[in-house]
Amino acid sequence: SYVLTQPPSVSVAPGKTARITCGGNNIGSKSVHWYQQKPGQAPVLVIYYDSDRPSGIPERFSGSNSGNTATLTISRVEAGDEADYYCQVWDSSSDHPYVVFGGGTKLTVL
Amino acid sequence: QVQLVQSGSELKKPGASVKVSCKASGYTFTSYAMNWVRQAPGQGLEWMGWINTNTGNPTYAQGFTGRFVFSLDTSVSTAYLQISSLKAEDTAVYYCARMYSSSSGYFDYWGQGTLVTVSS
Repeated sequence: SYVLTQPPSVSVAPGKTARITCGGNNIGSKSVHWYQQKPGQAPVLVIYYDSDRPSGIPERFSGSNSGNTATLTISRVEAGDEADYYCQVWDSSSDHPYVVFGGGTKLTVL
Repeated sequence: QVQLVQSGSELKKPGASVKVSCKASGYTFTSYAMNWVRQAPGQGLEWMGWINTNTGNPTYAQGFTGRFVFSLDTSVSTAYLQISSLKAEDTAVYYCARMYSSSSGYFDYWGQGTLVTVSS
């Protein structure tokens, strides 16, 4: 089955840029979605289709996807961005489509 | 507005069963697939599978066959997750999540989660 690899943790100072990667075999050929999960809360979609933002998500959140790596970029990081972030793909190429999540990355704002 | 409201926390003994509900509102229930996602304590998200809300046909991910059953009651726009023969390792928060479309594969709305604790 398909595997998505994320770094366990990323740290960034307030006002700087955080980049969270999601590695997978030829992930650039798939659509990648990103979720933010704060402690005790349900996940929230922050990026879909590699780089689209749902309404209500700040422009500071952006995404890209190419080759074997997808990246979630958070510009001008704020204390409120501290959370776990998960990438996800939907493999619909087979007779039995399935969802895969990355292991998650804990973003710490220093 | 779209809402998915799940039933409350459950404390069960090993070997018992539990049924978690997910009541949808603010949209046409049968137009979107419902998925279930498990999150064990301190762990990541794990996809359990989905149910076609139009046909009632469930699809279970690897590792979630046998003791796990997805069902619907479309008359009350509610999806259910039943787990039988509970084990300690089933202790987790269970989320329902609406999939925007079968081609997109992303979850645009999530329930608040239901904590199921299995302990003797």
